[in-house]
Amino acid sequence: EDQVTQSPEALRLQEGESSSLNCSYTVSGLRGLFWYRQDPGKGPEFLFTLYSAGEEKEKERLKATLTKKESFLHITAPKPEDSATYLCAVQLRNTDKLIFGTGTRLQVFP
Amino acid sequence: DSGVTQTPKHLITATGQRVTLRCSPRSGDLSVYWYQQSLDQGLQFLIQYYNGEERAKGNILERFSAQQFPDLHSELNLSSLELGDSALYFCASRGAMNTEAFFGQGTRLTVV
Repeated sequence: EDQVTQSPEALRLQEGESSSLNCSYTVSGLRGLFWYRQDPGKGPEFLFTLYSAGEEKEKERLKATLTKKESFLHITAPKPEDSATYLCAVQLRNTDKLIFGTGTRLQVFP
Repeated sequence: DSGVTQTPKHLITATGQRVTLRCSPRSGDLSVYWYQQSLDQGLQFLIQYYNGEERAKGNILERFSAQQFPDLHSELNLSSLELGDSALYFCASRGAMNTEAFFGQGTRLTVV
């Protein structure tokens, strides 16, 4: 069965304390992996798309990487405004289906 | 603003009732996805339409149905509502298959 697992479920960081979020996947074939940010009660906001192992994308304090079995979202020197739930999703090969993980709830304290 | 519009933003209804949620995709996007997000839960894929046709189906209950119209807007119909159907319902639209999906702000459904 196609599955996406994110860890940790929740993460508390001090402002400036860098860390990484993990998204591991077991799918029949990967077409692409997507990272989103979701604030409470809001719709997910697109961050990155990764298509092949070894690929990296960066945006401000965030960097996403991809291997054959997992993706990492690295957060460097986070600020309180980075507090949100971070979701990853995979698109299966030969289908348009997008399967989401349950997310990592990140809290950054000043 | 993602360009995806969902109405209504909030909906309160009683058990056993039927409601319709509406989604207008971004201009030019042919794909529409529907997701359910219960309290502190992940996004559960319900169904996807592409240019008016059903393309993929997830864990959608038989009491739920959807359609996409010629102008590409989509509607999700929920019937015989139960307390457990209370959730945020999101739609997302997408252009080509290898591009990201953009989400609306959701409809918060409360069944009392």
